[in-house]
Amino acid sequence: DSGVTQTPKHLITATGQRVTLRCSPRSGDLSVYWYQQSLDQGLQFLIQYYNGEERAKGNILERFSAQQFPDLHSELNLSSLELGDSALYFCASSVGDNLGEGYTFGSGTRLTVV
Amino acid sequence: AQSVTQLDSQVPVFEEAPVELRCNYSSSVSVYLFWYVQYPNQGLQLLLKYLSGSTLVKGINGFEAEFNKSQTSFHLRKPSVHISDTAEYFCAVSVTGGGNKLTFGTGTQLKVEL
Repeated sequence: DSGVTQTPKHLITATGQRVTLRCSPRSGDLSVYWYQQSLDQGLQFLIQYYNGEERAKGNILERFSAQQFPDLHSELNLSSLELGDSALYFCASSVGDNLGEGYTFGSGTRLTVV
Repeated sequence: AQSVTQLDSQVPVFEEAPVELRCNYSSSVSVYLFWYVQYPNQGLQLLLKYLSGSTLVKGINGFEAEFNKSQTSFHLRKPSVHISDTAEYFCAVSVTGGGNKLTFGTGTQLKVEL
């Protein structure tokens, strides 16, 4: 157990629907990162939050949004889902905003859009 | 922008044999370099990282990597592999002062055979 908790582990939904993925960072970690892993695009950075504020943005679609709450958990919202959004979504956390620490990854949420 | 190339998508090797997984990066500025391992149905786990200093970095599970600035490489090595090392290995890079975004390579599947 890495200490980063992601729920749910699996999610199957239909095209056009909206889902919310949840991440609880490791105790004491202030930064949360979201990554998407798909067969065709590999691991893609989506977004980072640090202590409730958006810190960096990557290849995140406009249909996707995220936030980090005061208790530091984070949610990734995916709307108007398309078949191509099927992927493994990882959350990672780190103590601060310094990459030298490295990330701790959760075990991911596997999203299947049918 | 930085990028990472893992030329070998699959590397088969016999147990107790040595292995090298290749990683080359591209960046016009100084970088931090990482190797992560992903076991089936799990998240990514940090193996080792290079931030500065000694170019030979030792990680967990007997792995090590050498940073070669002139060849822009960060190859991962293990002198004797075990069946349990079968997994996918990802090289990642981040530019210093560029926030916490990690750019990952496409991964190398290491398959250890008896």
